[in-house]
Amino acid sequence: NAGVMQNPRHLVRRRGQEARLRCSPMKGHSHVYWYRQLPEEGLKFMVYLQKENIIDESGMPKERFSAEFPKEGPSILRIQQVVRGDSAAYFCASSPGTGSDTQYFGPGTRLTVL
Amino acid sequence: GENVEQHPSTLSVQEGDSAVIKCTYSDSASNYFPWYKQELGKRPQLIIDIRSNVGEKKDQRIAVTLNKTAKHFSLHITETQPEDSAVYFCAFRVSGTYKYIFGTGTRLKVLA
Repeated sequence: NAGVMQNPRHLVRRRGQEARLRCSPMKGHSHVYWYRQLPEEGLKFMVYLQKENIIDESGMPKERFSAEFPKEGPSILRIQQVVRGDSAAYFCASSPGTGSDTQYFGPGTRLTVL
Repeated sequence: GENVEQHPSTLSVQEGDSAVIKCTYSDSASNYFPWYKQELGKRPQLIIDIRSNVGEKKDQRIAVTLNKTAKHFSLHITETQPEDSAVYFCAFRVSGTYKYIFGTGTRLKVLA
């Protein structure tokens, strides 16, 4: 049973470009979370999604950031017009859904903005 | 607001000694408290969790205690080994939501 998958593992973008980060949850999991981690800091909640629905995006900046979890395919975190301050590790986690609190994390995508 | 304070930020112990990390959370109605271990450059991994209907949970050398009245929960690692060296994060789930708030982490170093 494959764990949570994220790709790419490393992503380099120049200021003003777009970054697309993908997350495939564990098989059978319908809930996906995205977190941002700056060096030497904790995980900051960004958004929580279920299939085709954004449930809680209270941690996501209102501009330039968006997330989706389509019926088919991975969840996507999209950052438009990246700036240097967007450089961080972005982790996604998945959970089975109702009745289970446990989150399983992916390996993360390390975004570097030049 | 929603926050959790985690102490200490760094902790060095001799191999074989115990390590204790403490967290204080803000949401008195929260009922789920996981602990994660993160090695350098790796993903956070769940090591133990506790729900508010119990006060203590143990899994081999790792235990977690919860004091709901004081809104504290603690991670206890006994007989520490060099491979326990990592950053440990506490977290809680905000009541009525699926949103999780993480502590700022404790860097544990186990000295051989």
